[in-house]
Parts: sequence; C-alpha cells; structure tokens
Amino acid sequence: EAQVTQNPRYLITVTGKKLTVTCSQNMNHEYMSWYRQDPGLGLRQIYYSMNVEVTDKGDVPEGYKVSRKEKRNFPLILESPSPNQTSLYFCASSLIGLAKNIQYFGAGTRLSVL
Amino acid sequence: ILNVEQSPQSLHVQEGDSTNFTCSFPSSNFYALHWYRWETAKSPEALFVMTLNGDEKKKGRISATLNTKEGYSYLYIKGSQPEDSATYLCAFMRAGGTSYGKLTFGQGTILTVHP
Repeated sequence: EAQVTQNPRYLITVTGKKLTVTCSQNMNHEYMSWYRQDPGLGLRQIYYSMNVEVTDKGDVPEGYKVSRKEKRNFPLILESPSPNQTSLYFCASSLIGLAKNIQYFGAGTRLSVL
Repeated sequence: ILNVEQSPQSLHVQEGDSTNFTCSFPSSNFYALHWYRWETAKSPEALFVMTLNGDEKKKGRISATLNTKEGYSYLYIKGSQPEDSATYLCAFMRAGGTSYGKLTFGQGTILTVHP
C-alpha cells in the first residue's frame, strides 16, 4: 500500500531534549516536505527536499534541521526543542513537479514540549 | 512570506445546499495552486492541482476554477452532504528563483454541513 509513515504519532518531551521525528515513503517520490499546523494559521512549510542530499528552507525553518540521505526517508530534527514548537507536524511526499503532482500526507505527529 | 488568503474562515450550510469559497494569492510569478481537503483527525488529502489560467477541474460534486491574472481560485461544492464537512486548504506555488518547491498554504475554510 502506498503510504507516508511518520513516527511517533504522539510525543511529549521537555525543553532542550533533542528529538527526531521520522518520515518514510514507499512511493519512490523525489519531493518530500515537513509542515507544522497551528490553530488559525493553516499549514506552514518548515523544510522541503527536491531529492537526495537536496534540502531547502520553507517559511518557518528556525529551530529545525532535516536530512535526506536516502530517497525514502526525511527525518525532522529538533536539536533543542522549545515550548513554541508544540504543534501538529505533517510530512508529505510527491513525485517531482508540483505543477502536476499531488502531495501525499502522513498521519501527523502531535508534539508537546513542556 | 507570501500572502495566501482564504474566505470565509468558516461556513455552515444545510444538507443539499451548494456552496463556494475563495483562495486569493499573488498574481505575479504564478506556478501552481493546490486544493486539499482535511477532515478532522485525518491527514490532508489532495483534491486538485491547477496551473493554467481559466483551468476548471471537477471531482464528483466538487469543482474548482482558477484565475491567475487576478490571483484567485474558487472551490464549489454542489449539493453539500454531511460527509463534505472538513477544512478546505489551498496552497500556492511561486515560479522561479529559489522558491521552486516552496508551498504556501492559506489558513483554510472550515465547512460544516448540517443534516
């Protein structure tokens, strides 16, 4: 089954404790992206990747890191989480060419930073 | 950060009503517009990808139009059903420069269809 898998689905952590949210897709998609969703703000893009070893900043990259060492994986790293990073996070993937290809979203990761 | 606005913010309609809402985006350097449907406790699901001025797409009772010159897209739902209740999101993609791959979402329109 074609899917985008995020783990964990729920995470409660404390300020400053490094964490990684994993994202994996099995559709051989070149494009992958991370978003955060906060009430009243819609989805905001954090980072995206056009292919292996190619990543770029979205609109809200501060406090986040990503890597794309393999095509299927695109982990989101919070080196020193802070309470303002409490949010719902989505990973998405697509074939290259967003002018004709839709994105497929993961189930979401709800993160609380205390 | 680009300005992508959706209106109204929320909408309540009765089952059987037809409804529409708007996504406004910058009219310069247009590349693509995406529409997504997002049901509570689920993931966003793509409805349409639109690229050409005057484009019209249809999926069942849902259709969308695009005007890139004036910077807006309409989403229409004909004969709304309770299962259409969801948040509808549009996302704008700008052409050229270092922005390729960057998607800016509107804040969404929350549709509630009452039986």
